[in-house]
Amino acid sequence: DSGVTQTPKHLITATGQRVTLRCSPRSGDLSVYWYQQSLDQGLQFLIQYYNGEERAKGNILERFSAQQFPDLHSELNLSSLELGDSALYFCASSVDGTGLDEQFFGPGTRLTVL
Amino acid sequence: AQTVTQSQPEMSVQEAETVTLSCTYDTSESDYYLFWYKQPPSRQMILVIRQEAYKQQNATENRFSVNFQKAAKSFSLKISDSQLGDAAMYFCAYRSAKYGGSQGNLIFGKGTKLSVKP
Repeated sequence: DSGVTQTPKHLITATGQRVTLRCSPRSGDLSVYWYQQSLDQGLQFLIQYYNGEERAKGNILERFSAQQFPDLHSELNLSSLELGDSALYFCASSVDGTGLDEQFFGPGTRLTVL
Repeated sequence: AQTVTQSQPEMSVQEAETVTLSCTYDTSESDYYLFWYKQPPSRQMILVIRQEAYKQQNATENRFSVNFQKAAKSFSLKISDSQLGDAAMYFCAYRSAKYGGSQGNLIFGKGTKLSVKP
């Protein structure tokens, strides 16, 4: 158990819908990262937050957005869902935002878009 | 942009034997970190081993060791005395050590699926 929690574990929805994925980092970690794992693209970095502020952006679609709240949990919002958005979404956390520290991964949320 | 390549989609090893997984990367940076992550059927991403580019000595963690060749941009993982529990997807990953920008995120290879035969 990495100490990072993600909810829900599984999510099944229809095209065009909107969903929210939630992540709680390890106690004391200020930085949260979101990754997408799909068969086509592999593991890709989406976005990073540090202490409530966006720190870095990767290959995140405009239909996707994220935020980190004062209690440091983070949410990833996916809207206008397409079949290709079906993937495993990981959240990871680390102590600070410099990226020199180890990232601990949550168990992931499996999103299926029908 | 940095890239990570794992040229072996699948590998197989006999229990108790040794196997080496290959990884090459491309970067213009001189300071960075390299990682091997294990993803068992449970899907959990587990850090196996990491290497700082400025360290010439190869990292070792119990039965896991790396062969880091900086000039060749190669970072292979050797698993000794393979066990059934080692069966998983293994991902090689790169992270820049440069502060700022996208420095903190990991860049992953496509992975190698390792099977362990009893």
